[in-house]
Amino acid sequence: RKEVEQDPGPFNVPEGATVAFNCTYSNSASQSFFWYRQDCRKEPKLLMSVYSSGNEDGRFTAQLNRASQYISLLIRDSKLSDSATYLCVVNESDTGRRALTFGSGTRLQVQP
Amino acid sequence: SQTIHQWPATLVQPVGSPLSLECTVEGTSNPNLYWYRQAAGRGLQLLFYSVGIGQISSEVPQNLSASRPQDRQFILSSKKLLLSDSGFYLCAWRRSSYNSPLHFGNGTRLTVT
Repeated sequence: RKEVEQDPGPFNVPEGATVAFNCTYSNSASQSFFWYRQDCRKEPKLLMSVYSSGNEDGRFTAQLNRASQYISLLIRDSKLSDSATYLCVVNESDTGRRALTFGSGTRLQVQP
Repeated sequence: SQTIHQWPATLVQPVGSPLSLECTVEGTSNPNLYWYRQAAGRGLQLLFYSVGIGQISSEVPQNLSASRPQDRQFILSSKKLLLSDSGFYLCAWRRSSYNSPLHFGNGTRLTVT
């Protein structure tokens, strides 16, 4: 079983739609969580950290469900510029491994 | 503010040739440093990470090696490249606290021919 799993998509949505992605993680001791955005042939860029109480940044909302071991990303009022691959990232701090684990990403295509 | 520099941006190398990719971070001290590789259409694979000068942890067996000769310098090397080494190589840094995110360099696109 993969440590961090995401639906690869693609999610094809019209402009203005609301879309949500989930990401499940296997290590219950994971301490910190992030969403990254990666455009084609570019480096991943931090979109937002995910806090226990949930957090919002403009049209983007991130939530954490520790009981079910998943995080989610909600995008409201989708723009064409939101088209990208969204990567879920988990920090498994109890392993002594000072590295973050990436999901394979969910591809979003917003259509006019 | 902190910045990360990675070079070169693109590289075409023949099979069997050596490789050296360099990454430097500015504006912070004692960062954790990372090398990732991304094959075309695939996810990110962690290759190496370092929590201090001379300290290298390897994630997967391969013909690549990494070194950290200075606090903010991280080098990825190979003595002889394979075709399978082609990919998008990304250097990244983060603070050592557990809730710090990763910050990536612009990446090096390596094609082994």
